[in-house]
Amino acid sequence: NAGVTQTPKFQVLKTGQSMTLQCAQDMNHEYMSWYRQDPGMGLRLIHYSVGAGITDQGEVPNGYNVSRSTTEDFPLRLLSAAPSQTSVYFCASSQLQGTSGYTFGSGTRLTVV
Amino acid sequence: GDSVTQMEGPVTLSEEAFLTINCTYTATGYPSLFWYVQYPGEGLQLLLKATKADDKGSNKGFEATYRKETTSFHLEKGSVQVSDSAVYFCALSSAGGTSYGKLTFGQGTILTVHP
Repeated sequence: NAGVTQTPKFQVLKTGQSMTLQCAQDMNHEYMSWYRQDPGMGLRLIHYSVGAGITDQGEVPNGYNVSRSTTEDFPLRLLSAAPSQTSVYFCASSQLQGTSGYTFGSGTRLTVV
Repeated sequence: GDSVTQMEGPVTLSEEAFLTINCTYTATGYPSLFWYVQYPGEGLQLLLKATKADDKGSNKGFEATYRKETTSFHLEKGSVQVSDSAVYFCALSSAGGTSYGKLTFGQGTILTVHP
């Protein structure tokens, strides 16, 4: 019953560094997505995928890349970290139909200094 | 595009008080509606949902009714507990087109319940 697993839980990066946030789900969900959560701004969609090999941009995609080579995994890559990317990142998955709601991971708290 | 508007917070209540958190939405078609709860330091958990007009979602004493005529999905609980202190998010999932399956969230409402 792992659900959605995110790693790492915490990360500090220097400006300009790159890194990958990992997300894996074991529920055979077609839909996966990445959100960032900032104070007073709710959750904003970064990228999403409706299946292996298919990805698309969300509301705030700049500075982030994704790929979906398998149903289970949906990593988020920060190409060149900036202080504006300091945030809490959540991965979520669901069945494609969207009526059953999302399952969220526990989040990655990222600080860029 | 789709949008969700929640009442301004934070909300502070005494234990056993009645809770209402307002949520209104704008969407094309017939979206599914959700309430999520986030406890400190944790991810979001699905609290309840409704997938069509006049449906009532309920869980853990919380209720919300899908009102298409007023485009609302207000969250209510008759008697809150200290353990209900959390951030509550209203959200909708678009019914089709290129937005299929995507969740749009409100800003979140911080609820604090005092003993």
